[in-house]
Amino acid sequence: DAGVIQSPRHEVTEMGQEVTLRCKPISGHDYLFWYRQTMMRGLELLIYFNNNVPIDDSGMPEDRFSAKMPNASFSTLKIQPSEPRDSAVYFCASSFPNEQFFGPGTRLTVL
Amino acid sequence: SQQGEEDPQALSIQEGENATMNCSYKTSINNLQWYRQNSGRGLVHLILIRSNEREKHSGRLRVTLDTSKKSSSLLITASRAADTASYFCATDVGGAQKLVFGQGTRLTINP
Repeated sequence: DAGVIQSPRHEVTEMGQEVTLRCKPISGHDYLFWYRQTMMRGLELLIYFNNNVPIDDSGMPEDRFSAKMPNASFSTLKIQPSEPRDSAVYFCASSFPNEQFFGPGTRLTVL
Repeated sequence: SQQGEEDPQALSIQEGENATMNCSYKTSINNLQWYRQNSGRGLVHLILIRSNEREKHSGRLRVTLDTSKKSSSLLITASRAADTASYFCATDVGGAQKLVFGQGTRLTINP
């Protein structure tokens, strides 16, 4: 298995633009997590899914953030409109269960 | 505040020495996990210890858990330059798949 796949690896955009991050979990894993990592706040859980259903989105910072998982092999995290304070590394992880496998992350820079 | 808090925040030792990192948490847990993050990469699962276990080994890693003190330690023996990374403890919240990560310990192994 190729592991958790995230795209793009780097994204630079301007404030106000829409950003979509993509994730392909490991086949057979029934949990999917979205995290955000910054120097100031560390690693924060944004939302997680079980069997494609959102279970806990209490970490989603604002309505500007939304996440979907239309099927077991794909998830998106969308930020609209983006702001400079959204700059961070966004990780997707999947698990079955307990041990989480992380993707390489997407480094987002909002100018 | 963080559920898991690592101590120290940074640790620098000579190759071949042992490295010990500590983690404290606040609420009851079912399990505690340790992860490693190399610079610019996603987190990698190292070891999981359940609340009814006191010690667990994996290669050069030894993890202890003291639920009465709500603390855990990670010992890396005979450190190598390749062990240079950040190490995070993570605790489950209420038995759910949701993990809360600490701020991490940045370990540097000097050749």
